[in-house]
Amino acid sequence: DAGVIQSPRHEVTEMGQEVTLRCKPISGHDYLFWYRQTMMRGLELLIYFNNNVPIDDSGMPEDRFSAKMPNASFSTLKIQPSEPRDSAVYFCASRPRQGNEKLFFGSGTQLSVL
Amino acid sequence: EDQVTQSPEALRLQEGESSSLNCSYTVSGLRGLFWYRQDPGKGPEFLFTLYSAGEEKEKERLKATLTKKESFLHITAPKPEDSATYLCAVAGGTNAGKSTFGDGTTLTVKP
Repeated sequence: DAGVIQSPRHEVTEMGQEVTLRCKPISGHDYLFWYRQTMMRGLELLIYFNNNVPIDDSGMPEDRFSAKMPNASFSTLKIQPSEPRDSAVYFCASRPRQGNEKLFFGSGTQLSVL
Repeated sequence: EDQVTQSPEALRLQEGESSSLNCSYTVSGLRGLFWYRQDPGKGPEFLFTLYSAGEEKEKERLKATLTKKESFLHITAPKPEDSATYLCAVAGGTNAGKSTFGDGTTLTVKP
């Protein structure tokens, strides 16, 4: 199993540009999570999906952030327009069915907004 | 709202010097408490799940324990390769799908 795959690994962009982060969860996992990690705030949950349906997006900072999961094997997190304060490491994680909350994380996307 | 507090923020040990990391939590209806290890530039990697007070899990030099209010990660005779950030997380009954993470303890083991 290849694990959770995220792309790109690094993204450098200028303020105001659109940024799209991508995630392929582990096959057969029902849940997908997007987390953001910074030194100041630690690991924060942004949004999670169950069977491709968004369940809780209360962690999404503002309307500039959006996430989609068009099918069981792909999800995107989009920031438009990006701002310097969005600079962070964004992690995607997946896990199997309810009752087994162990998370499998990808390697993350290091985002730098200049 | 679920809350997780880890202490200390950073811990420096000499190789072979045993110690413990603390994770205090508040959660409504604990479904599980988790320990993860995170190496620089990588995503967190699962170590243990604890489900009820009194439960213990072991893996090599690591041992996790759980009470109703906190969990400890005991490190016995650590080696330099144990250096990492250790994250604690809880999943609660009010929103069972998600895990809430603490800020982590960064462990450095000097040879």
